[in-house]
Amino acid sequence: DAGITQSPRHKVTETGTPVTLRCHQTENHRYMYWYRQDPGHGLRLIHYSYGVKDTDKGEVSDGYSVSRSKTEDFLLTLESATSSQTSVYFCAISDPRGGVNEQYFGPGTRLTVT
Amino acid sequence: AQSVTQLGSHVSVSEGALVLLRCNYSSSVPPYLFWYVQYPNQGLQLLLKYTSAATLVKGINGFEAEFKKSETSFHLTKPSAHMSDAAEYFCAVSRDTGGFKTIFGAGTRLFVKA
Repeated sequence: DAGITQSPRHKVTETGTPVTLRCHQTENHRYMYWYRQDPGHGLRLIHYSYGVKDTDKGEVSDGYSVSRSKTEDFLLTLESATSSQTSVYFCAISDPRGGVNEQYFGPGTRLTVT
Repeated sequence: AQSVTQLGSHVSVSEGALVLLRCNYSSSVPPYLFWYVQYPNQGLQLLLKYTSAATLVKGINGFEAEFKKSETSFHLTKPSAHMSDAAEYFCAVSRDTGGFKTIFGAGTRLFVKA
């Protein structure tokens, strides 16, 4: 299994509070991704990173920010949590040599915003 | 723009029966196609991938998928279902440009009856 951990694994927070989720990899992969998973929507990309300090937005980036100061860590911050951000968040990594972007996923973080 | 459509949010089969999960894609350029599997409370795992080397792709656990360009399809099959195949399956499409972003289908949950 690819070495990907996410912390925390579960979190309950109140509306309006900031929340930071952490993804840590030991594979030295260049690309890292944050997705959210909601019933009926599959996985939707929030933000991704293609190197240290290099990040870009995905399709559902509003209300989220990311940072990557080291190859192994990719942080997702909910600036002011809302109930619509209750979801399961997955981090993924990839090393798309030859153009094939197969991804390896972390175990997920279940976030509940009350 | 790329997109993925999975036909049927739920599929139920009997143990030993054929499994067929349908996926159609839309892409303006030759895509890379993937099937991922998600077991309860886990992240996604790569089941198989199409990278243009062969139209019939074999994956883990006895699954295979056939790329049909004329039908823009990449259906997943397994000749004989096992109880352990019960999970959610996601079809995904990617390109080798634009951050290697991957678009996921909404998912199909497979139920296997004894």
